[in-house]
Amino acid sequence: DGGITQSPKYLFRKEGQNVTLSCEQNLNHDAMYWYRQDPGQGLRLIYYSQIVNDFQKGDIAEGYSVSREKKESFPLTVTSAQKNPTAFYLCASSGQVVGTEAFFGQGTRLTVV
Amino acid sequence: KQEVTQIPAALSVPEGENLVLNCSFTDSAIYNLQWFRQDPGKGLTSLLLIQSSQREQTSGRLNASLDKSSGRSTLYIAASQPGDSATYLCAGAQGADGLTFGKGTHLIIQP
Repeated sequence: DGGITQSPKYLFRKEGQNVTLSCEQNLNHDAMYWYRQDPGQGLRLIYYSQIVNDFQKGDIAEGYSVSREKKESFPLTVTSAQKNPTAFYLCASSGQVVGTEAFFGQGTRLTVV
Repeated sequence: KQEVTQIPAALSVPEGENLVLNCSFTDSAIYNLQWFRQDPGKGLTSLLLIQSSQREQTSGRLNASLDKSSGRSTLYIAASQPGDSATYLCAGAQGADGLTFGKGTHLIIQP
């Protein structure tokens, strides 16, 4: 089945640690996105990538980093510089043409302990 | 900057009712408007995508409309069922930099 796979489903991070969230898609989509979801707020864009080896900052990129070495993969690293990392993280992908349908993974819930 | 608002924030209705969820956006220069469903602790499931040149889309008991001139979209759910209980999100695409989301409508269908 085609889709987007995020792992792990739950992740716990100690203060000062970097953690990496995985996102893999087999939809042959060029564009991939990372969003953050907090209670009572809409989804906010962290980073996006339109093509391999290229990515751009979204609205809340501070404290996060990404890479896009393969078309299928777009991992997100939450660094120790992110002051409030506890949130639900969602990865999405879409075709390269603007306005094509976006599909989402099942999310990773990150908790700082 | 695009802003998307969803009204109401929460809605509880008896099973079998027809209902309408509202979505408004401030910038009419959108490529499409997409409606999603989110169950607790889960990702987003795409329900309907309306391109900017379209007025509406239908899938089963769901019908979504788009009026760019007024900056509004509605999601109509016919003959609601308890399984329709979820949070419904609308989002607009203005360019290659992803979607702008509303905060969602939390829907409860009472059996």
